Amino acid sequence: QKEVEQNSGPLSVPEGAIASLNCTYSDRGSQSFFWYRQYSGKSPELIMSIYSNGDKEDGRFTAQLNKASQYVSLLIRDSQPSDSATYLCAVNQVNDMRFGAGTRLTVKP
Amino acid sequence: EAQVTQNPRYLITVTGKKLTVTCSQNMNHEYMSWYRQDPGLGLRQIYYSMNVEVTDKGDVPEGYKVSRKEKRNFPLILESPSPNQTSLYFCASSLSYRNTGELFFGEGSRLTVL
Repeated sequence: QKEVEQNSGPLSVPEGAIASLNCTYSDRGSQSFFWYRQYSGKSPELIMSIYSNGDKEDGRFTAQLNKASQYVSLLIRDSQPSDSATYLCAVNQVNDMRFGAGTRLTVKP
Repeated sequence: EAQVTQNPRYLITVTGKKLTVTCSQNMNHEYMSWYRQDPGLGLRQIYYSMNVEVTDKGDVPEGYKVSRKEKRNFPLILESPSPNQTSLYFCASSLSYRNTGELFFGEGSRLTVL
C-alpha cells in the first residue's frame, strides 16, 4: 500500500512565525510532489510543486524535498492568520496520485 | 473564467435511489478525476480519465460508475447509493496525464445517503 503520511495537527503558530509542515511517503518510485491548501468548506488549491531534491521557494512558501529520506516539507515564513487552513501533501507516480490526510494549521494573531 | 463546475453542491438522498453528480471543465483539460474526502482519510481517488473514452479505477471505485463521452464532462454515477457513500466529493482536472499532480478542483458536492 502506497502511503502518504502527515501529522494531522492541529499545528498552532503565532503570527509572523515560521510554520513547518511535514510529509513522508512510502513509494520510492514517486516522481512529483505537491502541496495543496484547503480552507474550511472549500476545495483544495495547488500552492507548490517540487520535482527534484532540494528547496523551491515561492514568496513566503518554501518546499523541500529529500527523496533519499522520502520526505517532503513546506515552510511558511511570516505566517499570517489568512494562512490558517489544512495543508494536503500529494505524491504522484505516473497516474497514481496519493494525498495525505492533511495538517490543520492555525496562525494566531 | 477557468473553472471546474460540479452539480449538485448538496444532496440528500435515500438508499438505492440512483443519482448522478455532474462535472464540467472549461479549460480543455485532458485529465479528469473524482475524489471523495472523509474525515481522517484525506482525499481518495474513485475514478480517473486520461482522455475521452478512457477511464480507469482509482483506489475506491466500488459502487461508482463514470463515463467520458466528451472532453469537458466527467459525470459520477451512483447506481444504488448506500450510507457508506455519504461523503464530500470533488471533481478535478489537469492539462494532461503528464501533469496529474497539478489539479484544479471543483467546489465539491456534499452527499448524504440516508
